[in-house]
Amino acid sequence: EVQLAESGGGLVQPGGSLRLSCAASGFTFTTYWVTWVRQAPGKGLEWVANIKQDGSEKYYVDSVKGRFTISRDNAKNSLYLQMNSLRVEDTAVYYCARGYYDSSGYCYGFDIWGQGTMVTVSS
Amino acid sequence: QSALTQPASVSGSPGQSITISCTGTSRDVVTFNLVSWYQQHPGKAPKLMICEGSKRPSGVSNRFSGSKSGNTASLTISGLQAEDEADYYCCSYAGGNTYVFGTGTKVTVL
Repeated sequence: EVQLAESGGGLVQPGGSLRLSCAASGFTFTTYWVTWVRQAPGKGLEWVANIKQDGSEKYYVDSVKGRFTISRDNAKNSLYLQMNSLRVEDTAVYYCARGYYDSSGYCYGFDIWGQGTMVTVSS
Repeated sequence: QSALTQPASVSGSPGQSITISCTGTSRDVVTFNLVSWYQQHPGKAPKLMICEGSKRPSGVSNRFSGSKSGNTASLTISGLQAEDEADYYCCSYAGGNTYVFGTGTKVTVL
Protein backbone atom coordinates (compact mmCIF):
# COMPACT_ATOMS: atom_id res chain seq x y z
CA GLU A 1 0.00 0.00 0.00
CA VAL A 2 1.24 3.45 -0.91
CA GLN A 3 1.66 5.41 2.31
CA LEU A 4 3.24 8.38 3.99
CA ALA A 5 3.50 8.54 7.77
CA GLU A 6 4.61 11.61 9.72
CA SER A 7 6.12 11.63 13.18
CA GLY A 8 7.99 13.96 15.49
CA GLY A 9 5.33 16.47 16.43
CA GLY A 10 4.84 17.72 19.96
CA LEU A 11 4.81 20.68 22.32
CA VAL A 12 7.72 23.11 22.12
CA GLN A 13 8.35 26.55 23.56
CA PRO A 14 8.66 29.63 21.35
CA GLY A 15 12.18 29.85 20.00
CA GLY A 16 12.64 26.11 20.25
CA SER A 17 13.32 23.47 17.61
CA LEU A 18 11.66 20.32 16.37
CA ARG A 19 12.41 17.82 13.61
CA LEU A 20 9.56 16.18 11.75
CA SER A 21 9.95 12.95 9.81
CA CYS A 22 7.86 11.40 7.07
CA ALA A 23 8.32 7.73 6.18
CA ALA A 24 7.34 6.65 2.69
CA SER A 25 6.36 3.12 1.70
CA GLY A 26 4.75 1.28 -1.19
CA PHE A 27 6.26 3.39 -3.97
CA THR A 28 9.61 4.43 -5.42
CA PHE A 29 10.33 7.41 -3.19
CA THR A 30 13.31 8.55 -5.26
CA THR A 31 11.14 9.41 -8.27
CA TYR A 32 8.87 11.95 -6.57
CA TRP A 33 8.94 15.55 -5.44
CA VAL A 34 7.67 15.66 -1.87
CA THR A 35 6.08 18.49 0.04
CA TRP A 36 5.17 19.71 3.53
CA VAL A 37 1.77 21.35 4.01
CA ARG A 38 0.46 22.64 7.34
CA GLN A 39 -2.95 23.45 8.76
CA ALA A 40 -3.38 25.62 11.85
CA PRO A 41 -6.24 24.58 14.16
CA GLY A 42 -9.56 25.44 12.51
CA LYS A 43 -7.77 27.11 9.59
CA GLY A 44 -6.93 26.38 5.98
CA LEU A 45 -4.08 24.57 4.30
CA GLU A 46 -0.73 26.30 3.76
CA TRP A 47 2.04 25.05 1.49
CA VAL A 48 5.30 25.11 3.46
CA ALA A 49 8.15 23.58 1.44
CA ASN A 50 9.07 21.05 -1.17
CA ILE A 51 12.14 19.16 -2.35
CA LYS A 52 13.21 17.64 -5.64
CA GLN A 53 13.77 13.94 -6.13
CA ASP A 54 17.53 14.09 -5.56
CA GLY A 55 17.38 16.82 -2.90
CA SER A 56 19.18 19.33 -5.12
CA GLU A 57 16.35 21.87 -5.11
CA LYS A 58 14.36 23.11 -2.14
CA TYR A 59 11.70 25.79 -1.94
CA TYR A 60 9.94 27.46 0.97
CA VAL A 61 7.04 29.76 1.77
CA ASP A 62 8.37 33.17 2.80
CA SER A 63 7.20 32.86 6.41
CA VAL A 64 9.54 29.93 7.15
CA LYS A 65 12.59 30.86 5.08
CA GLY A 66 15.72 30.88 7.21
CA ARG A 67 14.00 28.97 10.01
CA PHE A 68 12.87 25.68 8.43
CA THR A 69 14.95 23.23 6.39
CA ILE A 70 13.51 20.47 4.27
CA SER A 71 15.64 17.44 3.50
CA ARG A 72 15.32 13.83 2.43
CA ASP A 73 17.23 10.57 2.79
CA ASN A 74 16.39 8.45 -0.23
CA ALA A 75 18.23 5.44 1.22
CA LYS A 76 15.77 5.52 4.11
CA ASN A 77 12.72 6.56 2.06
CA SER A 78 12.30 9.48 4.41
CA LEU A 79 11.50 13.18 4.29
CA TYR A 80 12.36 15.61 7.07
CA LEU A 81 11.50 19.11 8.22
CA GLN A 82 13.89 20.75 10.65
CA MET A 83 12.08 23.62 12.34
CA ASN A 84 14.09 26.19 14.29
CA SER A 85 13.16 29.47 15.97
CA LEU A 86 9.60 28.26 16.27
CA ARG A 87 6.83 30.79 16.73
CA VAL A 88 3.33 30.50 18.15
CA GLU A 89 1.98 30.96 14.62
CA ASP A 90 3.77 27.77 13.50
CA THR A 91 1.27 25.77 15.56
CA ALA A 92 -0.42 23.41 13.11
CA VAL A 93 -0.88 19.88 11.87
CA TYR A 94 1.97 19.20 9.46
CA TYR A 95 1.31 16.90 6.52
CA CYS A 96 3.79 15.42 4.08
CA ALA A 97 2.47 14.85 0.57
CA ARG A 98 3.65 13.37 -2.70
CA GLY A 99 3.61 15.13 -6.05
CA TYR A 100 1.12 13.54 -8.45
CA TYR A 101 2.12 12.25 -11.86
CA ASP A 102 -0.36 11.04 -14.45
CA SER A 103 0.32 9.51 -17.87
CA SER A 104 1.29 12.95 -19.18
CA GLY A 105 3.76 13.74 -16.44
CA TYR A 106 3.66 15.93 -13.35
CA CYS A 107 0.14 17.14 -12.75
CA TYR A 108 0.85 19.93 -10.23
CA GLY A 109 -1.08 18.36 -7.39
CA PHE A 110 -0.44 16.22 -4.32
CA ASP A 111 -2.02 12.78 -4.38
CA ILE A 112 -0.77 10.88 -1.33
CA TRP A 113 -0.90 12.50 2.11
CA GLY A 114 0.12 11.30 5.53
CA GLN A 115 -2.19 11.47 8.52
CA GLY A 116 -0.40 14.55 9.85
CA THR A 117 1.55 15.31 13.01
CA MET A 118 0.59 18.08 15.43
CA VAL A 119 3.10 20.77 16.37
CA THR A 120 2.16 23.08 19.23
CA VAL A 121 4.31 26.10 19.99
CA SER A 122 3.41 27.53 23.36
CA SER A 123 4.97 28.66 26.59
CA GLN B 1 2.26 34.46 -1.44
CA SER B 2 -1.21 35.60 -0.39
CA ALA B 3 -3.88 32.92 -0.12
CA LEU B 4 -6.26 32.51 -3.03
CA THR B 5 -9.79 33.71 -2.29
CA GLN B 6 -12.63 31.22 -1.94
CA PRO B 7 -16.17 31.70 -0.61
CA ALA B 8 -16.44 30.62 3.00
CA SER B 9 -19.42 28.40 2.33
CA VAL B 10 -21.52 26.97 -0.47
CA SER B 11 -24.61 24.82 -0.09
CA GLY B 12 -26.93 22.80 -2.27
CA SER B 13 -29.57 20.11 -2.17
CA PRO B 14 -28.92 16.50 -3.14
CA GLY B 15 -28.81 16.11 -6.91
CA GLN B 16 -28.08 19.76 -7.56
CA SER B 17 -24.87 21.23 -8.97
CA ILE B 18 -22.71 23.69 -7.11
CA THR B 19 -19.63 25.67 -8.12
CA ILE B 20 -16.81 26.80 -5.86
CA SER B 21 -14.72 29.73 -7.07
CA CYS B 22 -11.04 30.35 -6.43
CA THR B 23 -9.75 33.82 -7.25
CA GLY B 24 -6.09 34.53 -7.68
CA THR B 25 -3.70 37.02 -9.24
CA SER B 26 -1.20 37.37 -12.04
CA ARG B 27 1.34 35.66 -9.75
CA ASP B 28 -0.60 32.42 -9.75
CA VAL B 29 -3.98 31.56 -11.27
CA VAL B 30 -3.82 34.04 -14.14
CA THR B 31 -0.37 33.03 -15.34
CA PHE B 32 -0.54 29.31 -14.65
CA ASN B 33 -3.49 27.07 -15.48
CA LEU B 34 -2.17 24.70 -12.84
CA VAL B 35 -4.81 24.66 -10.14
CA SER B 36 -5.52 21.60 -8.06
CA TRP B 37 -8.52 20.98 -5.82
CA TYR B 38 -8.73 19.04 -2.56
CA GLN B 39 -11.57 17.62 -0.50
CA GLN B 40 -11.06 17.38 3.25
CA HIS B 41 -13.44 15.70 5.64
CA PRO B 42 -13.17 16.62 9.35
CA GLY B 43 -10.11 15.14 11.00
CA LYS B 44 -8.89 13.62 7.75
CA ALA B 45 -6.07 14.36 5.32
CA PRO B 46 -6.93 16.20 2.11
CA LYS B 47 -7.79 14.20 -1.01
CA LEU B 48 -6.77 15.30 -4.50
CA MET B 49 -9.85 15.78 -6.70
CA ILE B 50 -8.55 17.80 -9.67
CA CYS B 51 -5.04 18.60 -10.91
CA GLU B 52 -3.65 20.83 -13.63
CA GLY B 53 -6.88 22.80 -13.76
CA SER B 54 -9.23 20.14 -15.06
CA LYS B 55 -7.70 16.67 -14.87
CA ARG B 56 -9.32 14.06 -12.66
CA PRO B 57 -6.97 11.55 -11.01
CA SER B 58 -8.02 7.95 -11.37
CA GLY B 59 -10.69 6.97 -8.90
CA VAL B 60 -12.21 10.45 -8.60
CA SER B 61 -15.87 10.64 -9.56
CA ASN B 62 -16.69 12.35 -12.86
CA ARG B 63 -19.19 14.46 -10.90
CA PHE B 64 -16.20 16.68 -10.08
CA SER B 65 -14.87 18.99 -12.77
CA GLY B 66 -12.49 21.93 -12.89
CA SER B 67 -12.20 24.98 -15.12
CA LYS B 68 -10.65 28.46 -15.27
CA SER B 69 -11.60 31.83 -16.62
CA GLY B 70 -9.33 34.80 -16.22
CA ASN B 71 -8.22 35.08 -12.61
CA THR B 72 -10.77 32.58 -11.28
CA ALA B 73 -10.60 28.81 -11.17
CA SER B 74 -13.73 26.84 -10.40
CA LEU B 75 -14.68 23.42 -9.09
CA THR B 76 -18.12 22.15 -10.04
CA ILE B 77 -19.77 19.28 -8.21
CA SER B 78 -22.72 17.88 -10.11
CA GLY B 79 -25.33 15.49 -8.71
CA LEU B 80 -24.51 16.61 -5.18
CA GLN B 81 -24.45 13.76 -2.66
CA ALA B 82 -24.37 13.66 1.13
CA GLU B 83 -20.78 12.40 1.13
CA ASP B 84 -19.69 15.52 -0.75
CA GLU B 85 -20.18 17.55 2.42
CA ALA B 86 -16.64 18.59 3.32
CA ASP B 87 -14.14 21.43 3.10
CA TYR B 88 -12.68 22.14 -0.33
CA TYR B 89 -9.39 23.88 -1.07
CA CYS B 90 -7.91 25.11 -4.32
CA CYS B 91 -4.15 25.30 -4.79
CA SER B 92 -2.28 27.06 -7.55
CA TYR B 93 1.26 26.73 -8.79
CA ALA B 94 2.83 30.14 -8.19
CA GLY B 95 6.07 29.86 -10.13
CA GLY B 96 9.54 29.03 -8.87
CA ASN B 97 8.35 25.62 -7.66
CA THR B 98 6.12 27.23 -5.02
CA TYR B 99 2.41 26.83 -4.40
CA VAL B 100 -0.38 28.77 -2.74
CA PHE B 101 -3.60 27.37 -1.30
CA GLY B 102 -7.02 28.97 -1.19
CA THR B 103 -8.85 30.03 1.95
CA GLY B 104 -11.15 27.03 1.83
CA THR B 105 -14.87 26.51 1.28
CA LYS B 106 -17.25 24.53 3.45
CA VAL B 107 -19.77 22.66 1.34
CA THR B 108 -23.06 21.82 3.01
CA VAL B 109 -25.56 19.38 1.55
CA LEU B 110 -28.99 20.55 2.62
